[in-house]
Amino acid sequence: DGGITQSPKYLFRKEGQNVTLSCEQNLNHDAMYWYRQDPGQGLRLIYYSQIVNDFQKGDIAEGYSVSREKKESFPLTVTSAQKNPTAFYLCASSHRDRPYFGPGTRLLVL
Amino acid sequence: AQSVTQPDIHITVSEGASLELRCNYSYGATPYLFWYVQSPGQGLQLLLKYFSGDTLVQGIKGFEAEFKRSQSSFNLRKPSVHWSDAAEYFCAVEPEGGNKLVFGAGTILRVKS
Repeated sequence: DGGITQSPKYLFRKEGQNVTLSCEQNLNHDAMYWYRQDPGQGLRLIYYSQIVNDFQKGDIAEGYSVSREKKESFPLTVTSAQKNPTAFYLCASSHRDRPYFGPGTRLLVL
Repeated sequence: AQSVTQPDIHITVSEGASLELRCNYSYGATPYLFWYVQSPGQGLQLLLKYFSGDTLVQGIKGFEAEFKRSQSSFNLRKPSVHWSDAAEYFCAVEPEGGNKLVFGAGTILRVKS
């Protein structure tokens, strides 16, 4: 079965801690994206990558970092600099014309 | 500023009634247009997309959308709503020549029996 997997489903962060959200796809897609979803605000783009070893900031990149060492993987790190990290995080990948979304990770701050 | 607007935050319809969810965008050229649906705590599922050609697009689950260039709109419709259609719906735009989706704020659909 092809698709996008995100783990974990729920993640808890302590104050001052960095956490990493996983996103893996076996669709052979070149482009991958990270979105943040907050109630009433839709989805906002954090980072995106069009190709391995290259990525660009989206609209709300501050406090986040990414890497793209493999085509299949695009992990997102929420750093301690992100002061309001509680949100639902969605990873997506696309090839040509159809973006696919993963099931999401909900991040909560303790 | 370039944006995607979904003017209705919540919509409630009776089961069996027709549905129209509105979406307007402010990009100059004709972008690629999408509608997604999201159930609570889940990822997004693509309902339909418009790239070019026929302005009436058929999607999954009985949904359709019509692109109107003169109104910069891409409204989603369904002739008869089922209780299982209750979810949040997002309109998204990929600007022409761009490589990322821009989303509206979403419309929450409630279905009453």
